[in-house]
Amino acid sequence: NAGVMQNPRHLVRRRGQEARLRCSPMKGHSHVYWYRQLPEEGLKFMVYLQKENIIDESGMPKERFSAEFPKEGPSILRIQQVVRGDSAAYFCASSPPGVRSGQEVYGYTFGSGTRLTVV
Amino acid sequence: DAKTTQPPSMDCAEGRAANLPCNHSTISGNEYVYWYRQIHSQGPQYIIHGLKNNETNEMASLIITEDRKSSTLILPHATLRDTAVYYCIVRVGTSGTYKYIFGTGTRLKVLA
Repeated sequence: NAGVMQNPRHLVRRRGQEARLRCSPMKGHSHVYWYRQLPEEGLKFMVYLQKENIIDESGMPKERFSAEFPKEGPSILRIQQVVRGDSAAYFCASSPPGVRSGQEVYGYTFGSGTRLTVV
Repeated sequence: DAKTTQPPSMDCAEGRAANLPCNHSTISGNEYVYWYRQIHSQGPQYIIHGLKNNETNEMASLIITEDRKSSTLILPHATLRDTAVYYCIVRVGTSGTYKYIFGTGTRLKVLA
C-alpha cells in the first residue's frame, strides 16, 4: 500500500511560468490537504479538498493559486505566473473519510513534498 | 492561528528521555491532541494522538493533564535520529471540515 505520492519532488520554474504539483492520496483516502512551508518556517495550511469539492480554501492566496481533486486522478495544486516568493516546499496529506463514534480520529499521512524553486 | 504553544528548542542527551511540553489551554472537550515530527525537510510523520487518557505506542508516550490544558510527549530513549522539529497540534473546525493548523513546533536536538 503506497503512501501519499507527490510529484515532481523538485520543480524549477522561471518567473511567470506555471507550476503544477500533483498529489496521489493513499488508497482509500478521499480527503486531501495542501500545506506550504517556507524555508525555516512551519507548515501553513492552504486548502482542504474532498473528491470534486473544495471544503476549505481559507489558506489559499487569492490570486494565481488554485487546487482541484477530480473524481479520477490526483489532486493538483496549480500556481500561475510564479514569482520568487512562491519558492517553498509544498506538502500534501491525505486521510480516510468518515467519522467513528462521532469523532474523526484518523491522523493525516503526509507525502514527501515538492520543492518549488522559482528563478 | 494555532491553538498550541511549544518551546522553540530543546536539547536532550542520547539515551535519555526527551520530554516535550505543549500548552493547549483553549482546547475543547472533544478535540484530540496530535503529535507529528519533521525530520530535516521530509514530510511530517505521525507520532501519536490522544483525547484525555495517556497513550503509548512503539514510538512515544503522550501524557495529557487532567484538565487537558497541556500535554507532554515523551521519547523514552532518545537517539540521534530523533533530532527533528516536533509539532503539537489540536485540530480546528467542525465535523467533516477538520484541519490541522501547525504552530512553530519544538526543535529537538539529541546530543551524542
